[in-house]
Amino acid sequence: EAGVTQFPSHSVIEKGQTVTLRCDPISGHDNLYWYRRVMGKEIKFLLHFVKESKQDESGMPNNRFLAERTGGTYSTLKVQPAELEDSGVYFCASSRRRASQGTDTQYFGPGTRLTVL
Amino acid sequence: DAKTTQPNSMESNEEEPVHLPCNHSTISGTDYIHWYRQLPSQGPEYVIHGLTSNVNNRMASLAIAEDRKSSTLILHRATLRDAAVYYCILRGPKISSGSARQLTFGSGTQLTVLP
Repeated sequence: EAGVTQFPSHSVIEKGQTVTLRCDPISGHDNLYWYRRVMGKEIKFLLHFVKESKQDESGMPNNRFLAERTGGTYSTLKVQPAELEDSGVYFCASSRRRASQGTDTQYFGPGTRLTVL
Repeated sequence: DAKTTQPNSMESNEEEPVHLPCNHSTISGTDYIHWYRQLPSQGPEYVIHGLTSNVNNRMASLAIAEDRKSSTLILHRATLRDAAVYYCILRGPKISSGSARQLTFGSGTQLTVLP
């Protein structure tokens, strides 16, 4: 079974530019999560999809961030326009839909390291 | 989700057991205890989880105190590859819509394994 993949692995852009991160979850996983770690901070939740629907986007920092999951397969996270404080590592994770309460395992991708200059 | 407290760092010698503690005094009766770890330059990785009883899998063991206010992740024989940040995370039941909750990461314990 292929794991969660993320593209690109690294991205370096200038302030004000747009960047789109992609996540391919494990096939058959309805839950898809985005997290990020900014410099020196803890890993923080951004949002959660169940299939193509946004279940919880309470962690999205502001309206410069837009996540989509068309067709309930892969997901994209667009940052437009990027700011310096957006630099960090963005992780994607997926898990099965039919999970017992509190027991579903999230499988993480390797992350995308975003550097905004 | 309730808060957890872990030591910032721990050291272990290779091939010796490691006991990583976690305090969660405000845990609720429905909270599961999960452990994830993050190896250098990788995404977090699931290790083990439990509710009340001790649990074993191929990676580790989880010992849960009788009052559930603390737990210990046990690596039976640490290897250099086990050097990572270990996170103890409490997860409550599904949210009202029936979907699983996100993971709430703390600062974790940085485990250093000495050769």
